[in-house]
Parts: sequence; C-alpha cells; structure tokens
Amino acid sequence: DAMVIQNPRYQVTQFGKPVTLSCSQTLNHNVMYWYQQKSSQAPKLLFHYYDKDFNNEADTPDNFQSRRPNTSFCFLDIRSPGLGDAAMYLCATSRDDRGYSTDTQYFGPGTRLTVL
Amino acid sequence: RKEVEQDPGPFNVPEGATVAFNCTYSNSASQSFFWYRQDCRKEPKLLMSVYSSGNEDGRFTAQLNRASQYISLLIRDSKLSDSATYLCVASGYSTLTFGKGTMLLVSP
Repeated sequence: DAMVIQNPRYQVTQFGKPVTLSCSQTLNHNVMYWYQQKSSQAPKLLFHYYDKDFNNEADTPDNFQSRRPNTSFCFLDIRSPGLGDAAMYLCATSRDDRGYSTDTQYFGPGTRLTVL
Repeated sequence: RKEVEQDPGPFNVPEGATVAFNCTYSNSASQSFFWYRQDCRKEPKLLMSVYSSGNEDGRFTAQLNRASQYISLLIRDSKLSDSATYLCVASGYSTLTFGKGTMLLVSP
C-alpha cells in the first residue's frame, strides 16, 4: 500500500561526507518535491521536478542537488553535509497537469538525517 | 515574500471541547488551500482541502476568506487522537507554502 517510499528512514553521516537520500513512488505522479524540515519549523521546499524539468528554490544551497532518472524515483544528494543540515527530509508527490496550481501532495515518511 | 502565518500554540483543550485555528496568507495569488496534520516525528498528512467558501468533513470544518486572506479550521468534540500539529498550506504555481503549524494537545 505504500505510495511514497523513502530510504533510508534514518541516516547518520559524518561532517563533509556525501550522502544520498532516495524517494520512490507508485502513484505515477508527474511532480516530485524535496523538503527540509527542522524541529518546530515548517517544511521548507528545496526543489521540485515538474516531469523532467528541475525547479530550484532561490535560497536552496548549492550543497543540495537532485536527480530524477525516471518518473518513479528521485534522489537528494548532499555533497558536503554540515551540522546545520541535520533535519528531516521529506519527499512528496503530486499530480499537476494544469501548471498553475497544485493537486494534493502526498508525503513519504521522511528520512531523518544526523550529521556527526 | 510569500508567507503563511499561524499561531504556534500549544492549544491545550479537554476532550470534547471545540477548538479553532486561524491562518493568514500573504500571497493573494494563492489558489488552493489545505490543512495538513503532522504527528511528532512523522510526515504531514492531508487533513482536508479548502476550496472557495470552505467545507466540512465530520468533526472538522474549514473556512476560507479570500478578501481577508485567512483560513480557519474548527474541530468539534475533540478526541485525544486529535493531538498533533496542524499545518496551514497555501498553493499556487505547482508549489506549496507551509505555515509553521499550530500544536494541539487534547487532554482527558
């Protein structure tokens, strides 16, 4: 029944050591999103893919990159994690065929990243 | 700057109480609105969408006031299981803007 799957659920990495988080979906949604959420804060959109088109938020650091090899999968790469990157990383998907508003977003369970 | 503002709470209410949350949004171009529920250390889950003049789903009622740019959520007959953080969300141009959430604690 899982619709948006994230792996791993918990990731521990060392300061500066690259890490990749993965997200897959069985909903065949054309839009996929990556959010960062820190404690007691709103989810912060990092970037999203509208089909194959990559859309980066203006304030997303260059340290964060993303890949979407096909409709079902999307990856978040953190090239050199810092202590401030410790957070919950949420993947979400939606079906959007209008281009100007968004359908409901479905979230995965998140990956909690710890940076030592 | 596109923002969604919410009172962080916590709102402490007894079981059976009625509680209301408000949320304001700054982007007048926002087209769709949602309430998400987020349990501690879990992902947000859609509670209900809010379109045009609002809607009701069981104990939950959401209202939208476009002129004043605010959205409300009313929970009647609160249950212990309603304890969570409620996120107000405004959407437009394929992205969502989340509020920081309002924490609700329902006690026996």
